Amino acid sequence: GEDVEQSLFLSVREGDSSVINCTYTDSSSTYLYWYKQEPGAGLQLLTYIFSNMDMKQDQRLTVLLNKKDKHLSLRIADTQTGDSAIYFCAESLYGNKLVFGAGTILRVKS
Amino acid sequence: NAGVMQNPRHLVRRRGQEARLRCSPMKGHSHVYWYRQLPEEGLKFMVYLQKENIIDESGMPKERFSAEFPKEGPSILRIQQVVRGDSAAYFCASSPEQGRQETQYFGPGTRLLVL
Repeated sequence: GEDVEQSLFLSVREGDSSVINCTYTDSSSTYLYWYKQEPGAGLQLLTYIFSNMDMKQDQRLTVLLNKKDKHLSLRIADTQTGDSAIYFCAESLYGNKLVFGAGTILRVKS
Repeated sequence: NAGVMQNPRHLVRRRGQEARLRCSPMKGHSHVYWYRQLPEEGLKFMVYLQKENIIDESGMPKERFSAEFPKEGPSILRIQQVVRGDSAAYFCASSPEQGRQETQYFGPGTRLLVL
């Protein structure tokens, strides 16, 4: 079945690292994505990883994929107040629709 | 290169009226997707279209909802006889015709409020 789960809330201090976790159920996923949504705005594509990769790094962002456990994580290094937002994990099925988690609210305290 | 454009950004309708939501994909993109986000939830897939074709409408409610992507002009999501439960943010995404087809870029959304 199609199901993506995320923890609902994460609070960190400015300068610390944030780790947002996600689990998915469909092993046929080809790509897995992280999107960021600020209040009242659309979704901004942050990064993605192909399902045959274990890790991808892009500046302050590190994505880890454990395909065996169907676990995906997003690490944000040196978290800033501007990183406060909702982060959505999504899996791509059959190259078409995306299945999203409910989102993780990241709150960064200064 | 302008991003995905949606209009209106906010739409208020009374129960029973029709809502028309428009989406212009990014330049060079011929695949359009519509998603709905209910309050405090993630996005749910509704429909996937290419020019003049509906490819996957497995997420569309069977009644009152329709979508099109004509040869010319934007994609339209149409909701007839709206009810309060239709209040949500509706997001459009587009992806390229070639290359990284699977990467979807989202518009700012249309927030529909049904009174």
